[in-house]
Amino acid sequence: NAGVTQTPKFQVLKTGQSMTLQCAQDMNHEYMSWYRQDPGMGLRLIHYSVGAGITDQGEVPNGYNVSRSTTEDFPLRLLSAAPSQTSVYFCASSYQKISPGQGHYGYTFGSGTRLTVV
Amino acid sequence: GIQVEQSPPDLILQEGANSTLRCNFSDSVNNLQWFHQNPWGQLINLFYIPSGTKQNGRLSATTVATERYSLLYISSSQTTDSGVYFCAVPNRGGYNKLIFGAGTRLAVHP
Repeated sequence: NAGVTQTPKFQVLKTGQSMTLQCAQDMNHEYMSWYRQDPGMGLRLIHYSVGAGITDQGEVPNGYNVSRSTTEDFPLRLLSAAPSQTSVYFCASSYQKISPGQGHYGYTFGSGTRLTVV
Repeated sequence: GIQVEQSPPDLILQEGANSTLRCNFSDSVNNLQWFHQNPWGQLINLFYIPSGTKQNGRLSATTVATERYSLLYISSSQTTDSGVYFCAVPNRGGYNKLIFGAGTRLAVHP
């Protein structure tokens, strides 16, 4: 049980290049999401998915695309990299379990991808 | 959107000391989560705490939803507690659209 696997761990891109950050989970979690972390700002939601074939935008979606063809995979595509996209990117999976009077969301994060755009 | 503020932004402790981290949020929420990011960047979910108090070893969390704040208590701190602590609440429209605070950076020295 690997949890959430992100690749690559590090990447340097030139302005204008495109690339895909990979994310895979083996916990059969329904929900997956992508966040970016910038210094002093916490994590900000880029895109999320509530199940295969369903995606939606988060706080900062511009410049990024996602798709969810399977439960396991949720890749993030940078269409034309810009220096403002230099950041650490985290993929997360989660589930919703409701029992009387209580809800759980079981967030599990990948180890992150450190992206530098020059 | 909901605003999430954490305090203090930075905290330095000697090993064995206790500490309290605070998270304020600007609107009513139906759940709140605490996360720890270790010095190597790994994020771990500590608590799901929509209201009341929960304890996990030396850590405990209390959320007072009616007053829009949550507290994370760390007792008998250890160097392994170092890192950044985040609280997060759901944005309107989806339980999984979390809004994170900027975090409290904790350094525990031996």
